[in-house]
Amino acid sequence: GAVVSQHPSWVICKSGTSVKIECRSLDFQATTMFWYRQFPKQSLMLMATSNEGSKATYEQGVEKDKFLINHASLTLSTLTVTSAHPEDSSFYICSARSLLADGTDTQYFGPGTRLTVL
Amino acid sequence: AQTVTQSQPEMSVQEAETVTLSCTYDTSESNYYLFWYKQPPSRQMILVIRQEAYKQQNATENRFSVNFQKAAKSFSLKISDSQLGDTAMYFCAFPAGGGKLIFGQGTELSVKP
Repeated sequence: GAVVSQHPSWVICKSGTSVKIECRSLDFQATTMFWYRQFPKQSLMLMATSNEGSKATYEQGVEKDKFLINHASLTLSTLTVTSAHPEDSSFYICSARSLLADGTDTQYFGPGTRLTVL
Repeated sequence: AQTVTQSQPEMSVQEAETVTLSCTYDTSESNYYLFWYKQPPSRQMILVIRQEAYKQQNATENRFSVNFQKAAKSFSLKISDSQLGDTAMYFCAFPAGGGKLIFGQGTELSVKP
């Protein structure tokens, strides 16, 4: 199956600093990637849609200036949490969209990044 | 608006037995995919099974199968011969356009020895 990597798997940072999370599709090209946030025992909350070569589309209520997304290539999207605060502590998950010639449309997920802001 | 509902927050099953997780959705679309994802304690989301709405035949992947009732907008997951490794959070998901997925609230499944 398709593999998506995410780095780092966990990060601890001080309040006010910025943190960058990378998401890579390893064996397929993904024109679209997605970033989710997940709190313990809850479902995934979509933050934004990342399209290669264009600006990301943010969901309602997500601050685009705080969560900067860049999708510079067909295999890499990055999420930068700027001026992180303790309330940004969470589990962040990326996914990459695989569109096949037969129309099969599936998202494959990275392993997630646990962010702790002190 | 498109919605996905999982009405069972928690379920448990004895090893080797069968369990069914329910999911209902609401949409005005006629052609779409439906998904079940598994999230074990490692928190890695894993695709379990995919169903194409235009196919009448229910999808099957080894011990996992779905009961897709299009008219009722129901998409349940049956796990046969449950194994300890099946312990996980299970999410059903539905496309919301542009490749986005809407996830249900999740069902936490515990397989007991």
